[in-house]
Amino acid sequence: DAMVIQNPRYQVTQFGKPVTLSCSQTLNHNVMYWYQQKSSQAPKLLFHYYDKDFNNEADTPDNFQSRRPNTSFCFLDIRSPGLGDAAMYLCATRTSGSPNEQFFGPGTRLTVL
Amino acid sequence: AQSVTQLDSQVPVFEEAPVELRCNYSSSVSVYLFWYVQYPNQGLQLLLKYLSGSTLVESINGFEAEFNKSQTSFHLRKPSVHISDTAEYFCAVTRPPYAGGTSYGKLTFGQGTILTVHP
Repeated sequence: DAMVIQNPRYQVTQFGKPVTLSCSQTLNHNVMYWYQQKSSQAPKLLFHYYDKDFNNEADTPDNFQSRRPNTSFCFLDIRSPGLGDAAMYLCATRTSGSPNEQFFGPGTRLTVL
Repeated sequence: AQSVTQLDSQVPVFEEAPVELRCNYSSSVSVYLFWYVQYPNQGLQLLLKYLSGSTLVESINGFEAEFNKSQTSFHLRKPSVHISDTAEYFCAVTRPPYAGGTSYGKLTFGQGTILTVHP
């Protein structure tokens, strides 16, 4: 089945130790999104790629970076995780031809010790 | 700018009872509306969407939502809930392509409603 895959599902890191979260998709969608969802809150958009064009939300901290080496893969890098970065990180995809329906992966739950 | 308000943070209900999860939105232009469901430690799954046409939309598992433009609402209903419906539900809004603007394609979510179905 075509899908959005996130690895790992659970990630534990230490305060200040860089961490990378991975997202891959078999949908061949050209738009990919990264969201941060803290406990009991709505998902918050961090950034998205439209093909190779990177679009950062104005309030996304500099600590968060992203890479998209090809259509299928997208990475979220957190350069120096703080305790406040503990959250569920959701990847989503969309095709530009679709009326805005986004397909979400299962998420990666990040714990910062 | 768009915003979404889900009026209830938690809704407890007994199995087989009806339920309504309320959602109101604010936007200066036309919108597309969505309901997503999130089970514990999982991603979001699209439940149903309103793009245009009939204001009543239905999902395959018995949920329905009605777009009410005058009241700027998109409430989610189910006439008889099951234990398996226990989850968090998010209402979301985005601009259609023809509405223009830089927020095209970006979803704005409400704060979520936790539906708990008791036996």
